[in-house]
Amino acid sequence: EVKLEESGGGLVQPGMSVKLSCATSGFTFSDYWMEWVRQAPGKGLEWVAEIRNKANNYATYYGKSVKGRFTISRDDSKSIVYLQVNSIRSEDTGIYYCTRIYNNYWYFDFWGPGTMVTVSS
Amino acid sequence: DIVLTQSPALAVSLGQRATISCKTNQNVDYYGNSYMHWYQQKPGQQPKLLIYLASNLASGIPARFSGRGSGTDFTLTIDPVEADDTATYYCQQSRNLRTFGGGTKLELK
Repeated sequence: EVKLEESGGGLVQPGMSVKLSCATSGFTFSDYWMEWVRQAPGKGLEWVAEIRNKANNYATYYGKSVKGRFTISRDDSKSIVYLQVNSIRSEDTGIYYCTRIYNNYWYFDFWGPGTMVTVSS
Repeated sequence: DIVLTQSPALAVSLGQRATISCKTNQNVDYYGNSYMHWYQQKPGQQPKLLIYLASNLASGIPARFSGRGSGTDFTLTIDPVEADDTATYYCQQSRNLRTFGGGTKLELK
């Protein structure tokens, strides 16, 4: 059974940093591209970041609103994907979902339950 | 960037057909596939994949759900609508990185 579980969310002060983690199991993690998607309270889904697999040189891509402040990374030996968020802003408040992307067609086939990040002083 | 546009809300009666549209500002077809996918999200839950590549039903999804379209115009149809289908539905393109539509909230009349 494929499982994704995010952690690391909580209350963060503006301008600070937070690192989210997503532990996975039930599939060969190293074969897949992994993503982060977020959702502000009462709003829609926003794609945040992607990291590809070793065969694709671990290439990373980011949504326009987070480029330069967010860094996605992965540890294939632990089957974990991370999202480092720097210089956090109030508009970064929301639920952050870790997702697996299906190779070749690039749809999100499995999602974690999400971790809530609240930016407030 | 590829922008996806959905109507914000739709109200239908139980047992009737619901048709949710998604329009893109660029063609999302590539080598015979339409890189458009649909998700259902209920309050307090993560999204769930319904349809991939415009018309393929994801595993475990009832046949009441169907998708069609190509190029820049896509639809998700639920027929017949059941009470459990009240949710927000999102389209997503993967032709050029990833973007989501704004979501369509399905309510019962």
